[in-house]
Amino acid sequence: QKEVEQNSGPLSVPEGAIASLNCTYSDRGSQSFFWYRQYSGKSPELIMSIYSNGDKEDGRFTAQLNKASQYVSLLIRDSQPSDSATYLCAVTWYNNNDMRFGAGTRLTVKP
Amino acid sequence: DGGITQSPKYLFRKEGQNVTLSCEQNLNHDAMYWYRQDPGQGLRLIYYSQIVNDFQKGDIAEGYSVSREKKESFPLTVTSAQKNPTAFYLCASSMSEEETQYFGPGTRLLVL
Repeated sequence: QKEVEQNSGPLSVPEGAIASLNCTYSDRGSQSFFWYRQYSGKSPELIMSIYSNGDKEDGRFTAQLNKASQYVSLLIRDSQPSDSATYLCAVTWYNNNDMRFGAGTRLTVKP
Repeated sequence: DGGITQSPKYLFRKEGQNVTLSCEQNLNHDAMYWYRQDPGQGLRLIYYSQIVNDFQKGDIAEGYSVSREKKESFPLTVTSAQKNPTAFYLCASSMSEEETQYFGPGTRLLVL
């Protein structure tokens, strides 16, 4: 059974701090990794995708992938109150037709 | 203006009633998906379709049905067999089954 695990939080950080969100997954045959942001009552929106080991940076966001340890993380630098949302980790597998989502981590950035 | 649309935004279902949720995309994506999200939980896959006139069951297909007669459209019917339908329903599409999925705005289904 393919599983994606996230700490549900809530994770609270002060404005301007670094928020670190983590995700682990159960199967080494994983292919692609995604981070989505979901505001309350809204649909998920893609923040980043990452496909190979290492870091990938996009503005204030950095995704980190370590396939040997089966984890993917998202760092948000200079956190803003507008970053307050639930962050969903998603994984796809080779020769599989679905994307598995974690339950999400709720982040609160306090002014 | 490209994107994925879902309607209605809110839907109320009476006991024993079938209701249909609409999902349309003009992104020329081949693959489309339906997910269900319950409060505080992640997304669970109901059905997906990789090409027209073909679709596959996801993890929680019981009590739901779909059709894919056109590439742009993937409607979901919540049947009376679904005993706990209250949830947030999300439609998504992707270029192929391995690519990034993009979501519509969602439909919130409530039972009267």
